[in-house]
Amino acid sequence: QVQLQESGPGLVKPSETLSLTCTVSGASISSYYWSWIRQPPGKGLEWIGCLYYSGSTNCNPSLKSRVTISVDTSKNQFSLKLSSVTAADTAVYYCARGLRLGELSFSAVPEYWGQGTLVTVSS
Amino acid sequence: QSVLTQPPSASGTPGQRVTISCSGSSSNIGSNTVNWYQQLPGTAPKLLIYSNNQRPSGVPDRISGSKSGTSASLAISGLQSEDEADYYCAVWDDSLNGMVFGGGTKLTVL
Repeated sequence: QVQLQESGPGLVKPSETLSLTCTVSGASISSYYWSWIRQPPGKGLEWIGCLYYSGSTNCNPSLKSRVTISVDTSKNQFSLKLSSVTAADTAVYYCARGLRLGELSFSAVPEYWGQGTLVTVSS
Repeated sequence: QSVLTQPPSASGTPGQRVTISCSGSSSNIGSNTVNWYQQLPGTAPKLLIYSNNQRPSGVPDRISGSKSGTSASLAISGLQSEDEADYYCAVWDDSLNGMVFGGGTKLTVL
């Protein structure tokens, strides 16, 4: 059973860096695509970016200059850092694992999701 | 404003068939496969359809997806009260080199 769990501060001050970690169980992080998605309260989903286990990343162009996504294979975790946050970054943040389409074929399309964690940006 | 356009709301009565549309462009739906998610209140999204029309294990066959050109549709037949949720389409966009989500459609079962 694949499970993902987000962790990190629920409150971040404006201009500071938001840091979240996703701990994966039931699957090795040394495969698949791993993503971060967020959802502002009462609004729709926004893709933040993804990382392939090898370390290559893709990020939303609108956030790219502020986003860092990294992986720690020894802990089976991956992380998100979002710098210079403002109130507009207040959202539920989800981590997710991508699809496996075949023996050696992986997709960034999120299949398994964490439960999400609310991060509020406020002084 | 999302690059994928969905109607903000849809509705139907129990047993009915409803469809939800997702309109995009040549750089997203026109050149990549479409995926659909269901989000119940207070929960994480659940993958319903991937690769235009494939259902993950456990998703009932009364749920189906299709794609034509730069548009896609999600169909739910035999509507049930438990289908009341928000639905999102998602596609890779080659111009943005990233994944984009539709704005979401709130489905109400009357």
